[in-house]
Amino acid sequence: GQQVMQIPQYQHVQEGEDFTTYCNSSTTLSNIQWYKQRPGGHPVFLIQLVKSGEVKKQKRLTFQFGEAKKNSSLHITATQTTDVGTYFCAGRGTLTFGKGTMLLVSP
Amino acid sequence: DTGVSQDPRHKITKRGQNVTFRCDPISEHNRLYWYRQTLGQGPEFLTYFQNEAQLEKSRLLSDRFSAERPKGSFSTLEIQRTEQGDSAMYLCASSPSAWGEGYTFGSGTRLTVV
Repeated sequence: GQQVMQIPQYQHVQEGEDFTTYCNSSTTLSNIQWYKQRPGGHPVFLIQLVKSGEVKKQKRLTFQFGEAKKNSSLHITATQTTDVGTYFCAGRGTLTFGKGTMLLVSP
Repeated sequence: DTGVSQDPRHKITKRGQNVTFRCDPISEHNRLYWYRQTLGQGPEFLTYFQNEAQLEKSRLLSDRFSAERPKGSFSTLEIQRTEQGDSAMYLCASSPSAWGEGYTFGSGTRLTVV
């Protein structure tokens, strides 16, 4: 079945540093979604990518979908303490989630 | 409509007891999903409904688990003869279409089996 792997599992940065998490699928994805889960919270939808090579931006967040539609990345520029949380990618169908990347930001 | 509601927020039960959780999705969403999440893991798919029809169940879902969505609105998830391994956060999500928009998750029901 479809598997979605995320790396790194955990990253601790200083406020102002950049952060990137990568998502890799064992199968080609028709589309991919990204979610953020704050500590003690529930996943919150960030964005969906559909097209091969697609790049979308949300303020300091940049999302990319690979040309082969088997990988994706989320890049945060100049992290802030409000970026703390776990970022999940999820593949289509009934949303198979990766294990997520936990981001910790120190002030 | 304030989003996806789940009840109760917390449930502590003794091993072997049955528990039932409720989810009220966003009213105009016809798809409803149940997920389970344990510490350090991503949400694990359990089952989903389109309107009142249960269209898919995870093969990981044992016979002790059953879900219903009788009128295509709220849904219930029942776990019979609970085991300690059932301790987890049970998340409900809804969406308006198969893959058009993101899922809206509820705050979850945290189950602790003692």
